[in-house]
Amino acid sequence: EAGVAQSPRYKIIEKRQSVAFWCNPISGHATLYWYQQILGQGPKLLIQFQNNGVVDDSQLPKDRFSAERLKGVDSTLKIQPAKLEDSAVYLCASSPGTGLETQYFGPGTRLLVL
Amino acid sequence: DQQVKQNSPSLSVQEGRISILNCDYTNSMFDYFLWYKKYPAEGPTFLISISSIKDKNEDGRFTVFLNKSAKHLSLHIVPSQPGDSAVYFCAASVGSGNTGKLIFGQGTTLQVKP
Repeated sequence: EAGVAQSPRYKIIEKRQSVAFWCNPISGHATLYWYQQILGQGPKLLIQFQNNGVVDDSQLPKDRFSAERLKGVDSTLKIQPAKLEDSAVYLCASSPGTGLETQYFGPGTRLLVL
Repeated sequence: DQQVKQNSPSLSVQEGRISILNCDYTNSMFDYFLWYKKYPAEGPTFLISISSIKDKNEDGRFTVFLNKSAKHLSLHIVPSQPGDSAVYFCAASVGSGNTGKLIFGQGTTLQVKP
């Protein structure tokens, strides 16, 4: 079974530029999560989708971050404009929806904002 | 407001000995706890979990202990193996269902020396 796919794996941009990350969850997984992991910290949930609806986006900085999950499958996370403090690893996870321990994480996208 | 804390950034143990990783939490509403393991350039993978109705859960070489009165949990790895070298995150949630939100600690880097 293929795991959660993310691209790109690495991205370097200058502040005030825009960037987008893509996630392809495990086939059949209804729930998709985006996490931000800043160096030295644990992952922090940004947004959770159930199919193509948003379940929780309480920690998403909506003035600059946006996310969508078209057709309840793939998802994109966008930052516009980026700030220095957005430098982090962005992790996507998916779950079939049967419990917290069934979250499967992708390898992440490492973003560096200069 | 760090609700889940792992106060030891790193731990080094000899192969074959016991590794003990600690985690403290402040939110008394948390009733489900998980440990994740993360290798470099990979996403976290689920290791073991425990519900607040238990004080111990064992899975092979891994045992998690929960002390609710102290708001403390620990992960024991016996015997430790070099392949266990990774970053370990504890996470907590209110509820174990898919609608729960995982709150992660900062992580502890474990090095197991041959």
